[in-house]
Amino acid sequence: DSGVTQTPKHLITATGQRVTLRCSPRSGDLSVYWYQQSLDQGLQFLIQYYNGEERAKGNILERFSAQQFPDLHSELNLSSLELGDSALYFCASSPYPTTSGGITDTQYFGPGTRLTVL
Amino acid sequence: EDQVTQSPEALRLQEGESSSLNCSYTVSGLRGLFWYRQDPGKGPEFLFTLYSAGEEKEKERLKATLTKKESFLHITAPKPEDSATYLCAVQGHGGSQGNLIFGKGTKLSVKP
Repeated sequence: DSGVTQTPKHLITATGQRVTLRCSPRSGDLSVYWYQQSLDQGLQFLIQYYNGEERAKGNILERFSAQQFPDLHSELNLSSLELGDSALYFCASSPYPTTSGGITDTQYFGPGTRLTVL
Repeated sequence: EDQVTQSPEALRLQEGESSSLNCSYTVSGLRGLFWYRQDPGKGPEFLFTLYSAGEEKEKERLKATLTKKESFLHITAPKPEDSATYLCAVQGHGGSQGNLIFGKGTKLSVKP
């Protein structure tokens, strides 16, 4: 158990809908990262937050957005869902921002949310 | 552009048959190379971080090594419970903004 929690474990929805995925980082970690894992693409970095502020963006679609709240939990919002959005979504956390020039530290991953868009 | 290539894509071993997994990388200024283990439908589980060429780390039957262009994950006398997908990731100073770039993984199957 990494200490990172994610809810829900599974989510089934229809195209065009909107969903929210939730993540609670390990105790003491200030950085939260979101990743998407699909069969053909592997793990792809989406977005990073550090202590409530967005720090880095990866391959995140405009239909997707995220935020980190004062209690450090984070939510990933996916809207206008398409079939191709079906994937595993992982949250990871670390103590530091790990942006360029920052401290290199380890990211610990949660158990993931499996999203199925029908 | 930072890039990670893992080989082979899949590896089948008999219990006790040692082997190595390869991770080749290109990155503008390596800050760290990470190995994770992932079981089906689960989140990646952290194994090792390597920071500089020549560094080695061990954990039970696993040993990770690092050169300037690649990393190896050596598995000695594997057991069926070592079956999983092993992921390699790099963190660089450049365009990836310090975030992890993952390879597609090596799926290891160990038969009793």
